Formats: sequence, C-alpha cells, structure tokens
Amino acid sequence: DTGVSQNPRHKITKRGQNVTFRCDPISEHNRLYWYRQTLGQGPEFLTYFQNEAQLEKSRLLSDRFSAERPKGSFSTLEIQRTEQGDSAMYLCASSPRVRGVRGSYNEQFFGPGTRLTVL
Amino acid sequence: KNEVEQSPQNLTAQEGEFITINCSYSVGISALHWLQQHPGGGIVSLFMLSSGKKKHGRLIATINIQEKHSSLHITASHPRDSAVYICVGGATNKLIFGTGTLLAVQP
Repeated sequence: DTGVSQNPRHKITKRGQNVTFRCDPISEHNRLYWYRQTLGQGPEFLTYFQNEAQLEKSRLLSDRFSAERPKGSFSTLEIQRTEQGDSAMYLCASSPRVRGVRGSYNEQFFGPGTRLTVL
Repeated sequence: KNEVEQSPQNLTAQEGEFITINCSYSVGISALHWLQQHPGGGIVSLFMLSSGKKKHGRLIATINIQEKHSSLHITASHPRDSAVYICVGGATNKLIFGTGTLLAVQP
C-alpha cells in the first residue's frame, strides 16, 4: 500500500463549472477526512466518514459541496457551480480502525492534495 | 480566539539551534497531533500523543494534559527542517487545527 492517493493533483476550472475530486485511502482504514487549505492558512475540516457513513460536516461545507463514500473505500468530493473563493488545496486523510473505541481521534495519514484553481 | 493556539507564528533559526514550538488548547481533546507541511502542500504526520513524551530522531513532542499544552522540540536543527508545523487537537468527531508555525532554518 502506497498511502493515501488523490486525483487529480491539480485542477483548473472556470467559475460556474462543477468539479469532482477523488480520494483513495489506505486500505482498511475505516475513517476518511476531507480538509480545505487556503494559501497561508492551516487546513480546515470539511467532513468525515466512518466507513460509508458521513458522520460530521463542517459549516464550511455549503450546499454546493457534496461528499460521498459509497462503498466505504474511496471517496469523492464534488463542488457544484464553483466560485473563485473555492480555490484552495483539498486534502484527504484516512485513519485506521480503533477496535472498541467510538469517536476517538486516530493518527491520520494525509494524501498529497488536489489544488483547485477557479478562474 | 482559536481553540488551538500556536506560538510563535514564524520562527527563523540558525542551523544547529534547538527549536521549540508551543501549542495551547482551550478545549477537551483525546489526543494531540503534530503535522509537518513542506512547501507544495505535502503533509506528514510527526506525532500523535495523549500523554507524556515521544521522540523520533531529532524530534521530541511533549504534552501536559493538566495545563493543556504541548511542545514540539527539534534538536540540532537543519535547513531541511524548514516547513510549517501544525498542531491539531483531536476530540470526539472533531478536529481542531492550529494556525501553524512557519519555521525557516538558515545554514
């Protein structure tokens, strides 16, 4: 296993277009997280999945954003009607199963990110 | 005020110096995480700790649960340590990122 992978690595789009990013976590990691990072800022939490269930969504995740993890493996993050303010690095991370512990924070392994530029 | 505060925000050091980055948090957490991010965006997990102290090579992380404070130390700093160091507080289903410390180690 080579770690968390994200595709594409870079995406340039025009305002108003829809974009979709993909994250493949480390195999058998049951938790998957999406973050957004703008220039000069730390990552901001967007949403989190445990298996296929989306358990937490940040207020940052407007109605134009949707994330799925249909089979509890890879995840997609879609942004509809992109705006220039959506330009950021979108990071994905996964963390391993912790048997018998609900809601604990586990060590996260980050992917390389997808850099989105909205023109 | 952020729930996870780091200091300093920017740090410049000479090669070989001992470096300390501090993190204070105001919320209950189950673990604290130190991340390293190099220019270009790649994030590497350095430590996850919930008590005491951990050491990996030249890096040492400590946490004091009672004082809600953690420190990341780098001994014998090197220019390749130049990066942003981010402290992350982990609570139930919630992840709180510090604003990061930009470290530049000059040769």
